Amino acid sequence: KAGVTQTPRYLIKTRGQQVTLSCSPISGHRSVSWYQQTPGQGLQFLFEYFSETQRNKGNFPGRFSGRQFSNSRSEMNVSTLELGDSALYLCASSFTANWPQHFGDGTRLSIL
Amino acid sequence: SQQGEEDPQALSIQEGENATMNCSYKTSINNLQWYRQNSGRGLVHLILIRSNEREKHSGRLRVTLDTSKKSSSLLITASRAADTASYFCATDAKGNEKLTFGTGTRLTIIP
Repeated sequence: KAGVTQTPRYLIKTRGQQVTLSCSPISGHRSVSWYQQTPGQGLQFLFEYFSETQRNKGNFPGRFSGRQFSNSRSEMNVSTLELGDSALYLCASSFTANWPQHFGDGTRLSIL
Repeated sequence: SQQGEEDPQALSIQEGENATMNCSYKTSINNLQWYRQNSGRGLVHLILIRSNEREKHSGRLRVTLDTSKKSSSLLITASRAADTASYFCATDAKGNEKLTFGTGTRLTIIP
């Protein structure tokens, strides 16, 4: 069974740009969660999608958005990038949000 | 904000010794999970313990849960160099399915 796939693995952007990250969950998993991980703030929950609906949202500004497609693949978008958005963005899939989650290896986003 | 806090923040032990790390959380929970993260990689699920369970074993891992103290511990026995990683606890609060992760314990096994 293929694991969770996140693309791209690395990304360099400049302030003010926008970025879209992609996540392909494990087949059969309908819940996809996104997290931001930084040395200072640790692992912070961004949002969770289940069957194309956002069920939970963390405490992030509206510049952070996401969506889920009918095949459970998910994307997250960050607009008007700031230096503080530099982080490892992790995607995880599961049958439902509080079941054991399977993580991808993340997208390392660097803002210059 | 973090629901859980791990203690200690960092731990270094000799290979073969046991490692114990603790997690405290704030609200009533449904389940508590432990995850491992190797440097630069995603998290890997280790074990889930339900709120009505007190202890659970999986291979060299032993997890305890004390809901009255809102705390959990993860014991890794007979540690190996490959156990070097960061370990996180994660909880889902009653009435809220999302997982909230703790601050993590960085474990280093010295060969």
